[in-house]
Amino acid sequence: EVQLVQSGAEVKKPGESLKISCKGSGYTFDSYWIAWVRQMPGKGLEWMGMIYPADSDARYSPSFQGHVIISADKSISTAYLQWSSLRASDIAMYYCARQDDAFDIWGQGTMVTVSS
Amino acid sequence: EIVLTQSPATLSLSPGERATLSCRASQSVGHYLAWYQQKPGQTPRLLIYDASNRATGIPARFSGSGSGTDFTLTISSLQPEDFAVYYCQQRSSWPGTFGPGTKVDIK
Repeated sequence: EVQLVQSGAEVKKPGESLKISCKGSGYTFDSYWIAWVRQMPGKGLEWMGMIYPADSDARYSPSFQGHVIISADKSISTAYLQWSSLRASDIAMYYCARQDDAFDIWGQGTMVTVSS
Repeated sequence: EIVLTQSPATLSLSPGERATLSCRASQSVGHYLAWYQQKPGQTPRLLIYDASNRATGIPARFSGSGSGTDFTLTISSLQPEDFAVYYCQQRSSWPGTFGPGTKVDIK
């Protein structure tokens, strides 16, 4: 079965760092872009950026450039989204998704809560 | 950045009725437009890719059309499980963008 499995929910304080993960299985992980999508509470979907695991070519939406880092370790079929300093405005559900002709496979989402 | 506008914001219909959802792009995206369905508390699900191709396992009552800047998602006869939020998304131009969504709710 083709799937993306994300790491579990996180509760952090403002200013803390965080790295969440997305592990692919059932397909050749290297061969597809993996995107990260943010969904703030009660809001729509926002495309954050994506990475090609074969060569770690990462691209970012201007809205997120400089605030997050997207990386991947193809040896363990895993993509990552990380923050060096979380803000209250980072509270959201974060999804990873495989890009084929569209986002055809989605992870289950990782809820990130930031609270002092 | 290409901006996608969806209309209406909310569509109130009864089961069995036809739903027509619109997505308009600020500039041409060719045929590189997809539609997703999201139910409360669930992950988005791909319905349509490249404007008119149904994704695997998607019922035939869902259809997509359009090209360039104007696109339509049609649900021919609404089933109870179709009441959800629908998003369009373009991959023609970097960065990819989503529309704000259309909520289809029960009248």
